[in-house]
Amino acid sequence: QVQLQESGPGLVKPSETLSLTCTVSGDSMTVYYWNWIRQPAGKGLEWIGRIYTSGTTNYNPSLKSRVTMSIDTSKNQFSLTVNSVTAADTAVYYCARSQGFRAAATVYYGMDVWGHGTTVTVSS
Amino acid sequence: DIQLTQSPSSLSASVGDRVTITCRASQTTSSYLNWYQHKAGKAPKLLIYGVSNLQIGVPSRFSGSGSGTDFTLTISGLQPEDFATYYCQQTYNVPLTFGGGTRVEIK
Repeated sequence: QVQLQESGPGLVKPSETLSLTCTVSGDSMTVYYWNWIRQPAGKGLEWIGRIYTSGTTNYNPSLKSRVTMSIDTSKNQFSLTVNSVTAADTAVYYCARSQGFRAAATVYYGMDVWGHGTTVTVSS
Repeated sequence: DIQLTQSPSSLSASVGDRVTITCRASQTTSSYLNWYQHKAGKAPKLLIYGVSNLQIGVPSRFSGSGSGTDFTLTISGLQPEDFATYYCQQTYNVPLTFGGGTRVEIK
């Protein structure tokens, strides 16, 4: 059974860098997209970006200038860094796997495995 | 970016009720529309992909329909374990986007 586990500091100071790692267990990391999503308290889900096993990335333009994702398939991990954080970056951060599901002649991607989330607070 | 607007934002229903949640996109998402269930303190769960395809293990009381810009999630016969927040998500374009969520509460 595939499991994802987020790890990283729960408290980050304003203007500093938020760094999180997601460790994948129970399956290979190949042929999937690996995503980061966050949820500020009382708000909805926001997609931060994704990385393919090749290292190709897509980022949300709302965060693009501050976000970097990387992947290390030998360690079964992928990572997120967000620079110059502010209180607006306070949220629960989730990592999630996107898998392709074939229906008729089309492949649809859905986030079928998620971590339990880790709370990151930006405060001095 | 494709904006997804869900309605209602919350609803109260009883066990056994039929519940319908709508998701409207600001532009076409073709059939690249997913639904998730999210319970507080837990990881979101993929319910439906590609508008109407049930993820393995999801009960058949959940169904999805729609096309283009208008989509619906229906729960036929609400069960106690279905009280949660539901999100639609489009994967037609990057950035991937989620709707604002619909909270289903116990009446």
